[in-house]
Amino acid sequence: DIVMTQSPDSLAVSLGERATINCKSSQSVLYSSNNKNYLAWYQQKPGQPPKLLFYWASTRESGVPDRFSGSGSGTDFTLTISSLQAEDVAVYYCQQYYSTQYTFGQGTKLEIK
Amino acid sequence: EVQLVESGGGLVQPGRSLRLSCAASGFTFDDYAMHWVRQAPGKGLEWVSGVRWNGDTIGSADSVKGRFSISRDNAKTSLYLQMNSLRAEDTALYYCTRMRVGATKDAFDIWGQGTMVTVSS
Repeated sequence: DIVMTQSPDSLAVSLGERATINCKSSQSVLYSSNNKNYLAWYQQKPGQPPKLLFYWASTRESGVPDRFSGSGSGTDFTLTISSLQAEDVAVYYCQQYYSTQYTFGQGTKLEIK
Repeated sequence: EVQLVESGGGLVQPGRSLRLSCAASGFTFDDYAMHWVRQAPGKGLEWVSGVRWNGDTIGSADSVKGRFSISRDNAKTSLYLQMNSLRAEDTALYYCTRMRVGATKDAFDIWGQGTMVTVSS
């Protein structure tokens, strides 16, 4: 199985500051035939189901604010929030769908400093 | 409104069975692959099993293989998870989720609120 490892496990950032979450896969999730990274990012707020933020590593889902961005390729990926808002407090997960043994990262808990 | 509503969870003894259901509405159900993802209390997300639009199984996690089976009824726009030989470690909130577009390789774009399964004597 492809192992997804996120860093850090938790993160405290001041309002208006940048937050960066990293995700590393144990093998490449880049499909050479279509040059797409089979990587998604989700946001889960307390008591709620996960919400899709990005697919293909950097394609923003409809309705996601543009302060969120996704980047990376191959085995290393990043979720960035350019200016943290109070409503961004959540746990963030990356997930690979390159393999049909879909796997998630362990999650990164984002809090306000 | 696109919606997934899970049901069927509850308290069950180890070794017993339970069947979860997920009712879909607001979209053409048989256009999409569907999956179950679970989350143990205070833990992260774990994919459980998935099924193609036509009912063919995509696969199951090693942790549930041979014990859980996924199915769907497109006429009833419903997804199911038959869980047998339940163990304490199966205790979790079980989410029904829709695969975005692809047949087997895409992100999960719609999620239900989940149904809680507790395995305990």
